[in-house]
Amino acid sequence: DGGITQSPKYLFRKEGQNVTLSCEQNLNHDAMYWYRQDPGQGLRLIYYSQIVNDFQKGDIAEGYSVSREKKESFPLTVTSAQKNPTAFYLCASSIDNNAGGYTFGSGTRLTVV
Amino acid sequence: AQRVTQPEKLLSVFKGAPVELKCNYSYSGSPELFWYVQYSRQRLQLLLRHISRESIKGFTADLNKGETSFHLKKPFAQEEDSAMYYCALRGSTLGRLYFGRGTQLTVWP
Repeated sequence: DGGITQSPKYLFRKEGQNVTLSCEQNLNHDAMYWYRQDPGQGLRLIYYSQIVNDFQKGDIAEGYSVSREKKESFPLTVTSAQKNPTAFYLCASSIDNNAGGYTFGSGTRLTVV
Repeated sequence: AQRVTQPEKLLSVFKGAPVELKCNYSYSGSPELFWYVQYSRQRLQLLLRHISRESIKGFTADLNKGETSFHLKKPFAQEEDSAMYYCALRGSTLGRLYFGRGTQLTVWP
């Protein structure tokens, strides 16, 4: 089955620790995105990548980092510098830069304890 | 600057009633607009896009450039339409979408 997989589904982190969220797709999509979803705030773009080994900051990149070493994978690291990391994180992909139709993952809920 | 506004955070209607979810946008170029839906415990998924001019699950949306709106409409709401709906705009930066804050639609029996 083609799709986009995020893991883990739930993640707990202690304050001061970095944590990495996984996003893998087997759709052969070129572009991948990370959004943060908070109640009442919609989806806010953290980082996006249009091709391998290249990525751009979104609207709320501070405290986050990404890598795009393989077309299939776009992991997101939430660093200790992120002031309010508890949130629901969504990964998405699209077939190319000009395709507005995203395929979304099922999300990772991160809780800082 | 590109911006999407969904003025209603919550919207409730009874089954069989018409429903309209509002979406206004701010964009100086030629916009590409989308509606995404997230049913309970399911992934966010594309509902429809304006360039397709299609009707999905009875929903339609017309792009009104004069009013900069892309409202989502359905003449007879069903209980299974209860979900979170997001309006999105594809802006000048290649590929990325700008999302509104979402409208939670509840259809009562």
